[in-house]
Amino acid sequence: QKEVEQNSGPLSVPEGAIASLNCTYSDRVSQSFFWYRQYSGKSPELIMSIYSNGDKEDGRFTAQLNKASQYVSLLIRDSQPSDSATYLCADQLAGGTSYGKLTFGQGTILTVHP
Amino acid sequence: ETGVTQTPRHLVMGMTNKKSLKCEQHLGHNAMYWYKQSAKKPLELMFVYNFKEQTENNSVPSRFSPECPNSSHLFLHLHTLQPEDSALYLCASSQDATGTYEQYFGPGTRLTVT
Repeated sequence: QKEVEQNSGPLSVPEGAIASLNCTYSDRVSQSFFWYRQYSGKSPELIMSIYSNGDKEDGRFTAQLNKASQYVSLLIRDSQPSDSATYLCADQLAGGTSYGKLTFGQGTILTVHP
Repeated sequence: ETGVTQTPRHLVMGMTNKKSLKCEQHLGHNAMYWYKQSAKKPLELMFVYNFKEQTENNSVPSRFSPECPNSSHLFLHLHTLQPEDSALYLCASSQDATGTYEQYFGPGTRLTVT
């Protein structure tokens, strides 16, 4: 059974700190990874995608992928109260019969307190 | 309208009712998806359509019946539902379902089965 595992939290960080969100996956052929942010009562919003080993930066967000360790993380620098949400990690197989299937983790609840 | 839209946003139905959820994407994508999000559970893929053809049915009960008349529209027909089917139903779209493309979600329909 292919799984994506996240610590459900809650993760609480002070405003201005770095929030570190982690995700592990079980399928070695997973090729693509995505981080979504979901505010309470809203739908998931894509914030980062990463396909290659290493770091990818976009504004205050950095995604890190280590395929050898089957590990992907999201760092949020200068955390703001508006970053308080549930962060969903998802992986995706490439090609074949995967047909775009995303497998999601349970999500990590992040709270940024002033 | 922009992005992915869904109607209705909220739906309450009895177990003997028949209703339909509608999704429309304005992104020029060719793949559309239905997901189910229940409390305390990861987002779960239900169906995938690629260029109007169903390419994935993730062991969904037959009381859920999808329809994709064209690449921009997706329906989920509901009949004889059970209370445990109460959940947030999310539609998503992507460029297509055979590559590692990002998926974008609509606002969801909050379904309550009484």
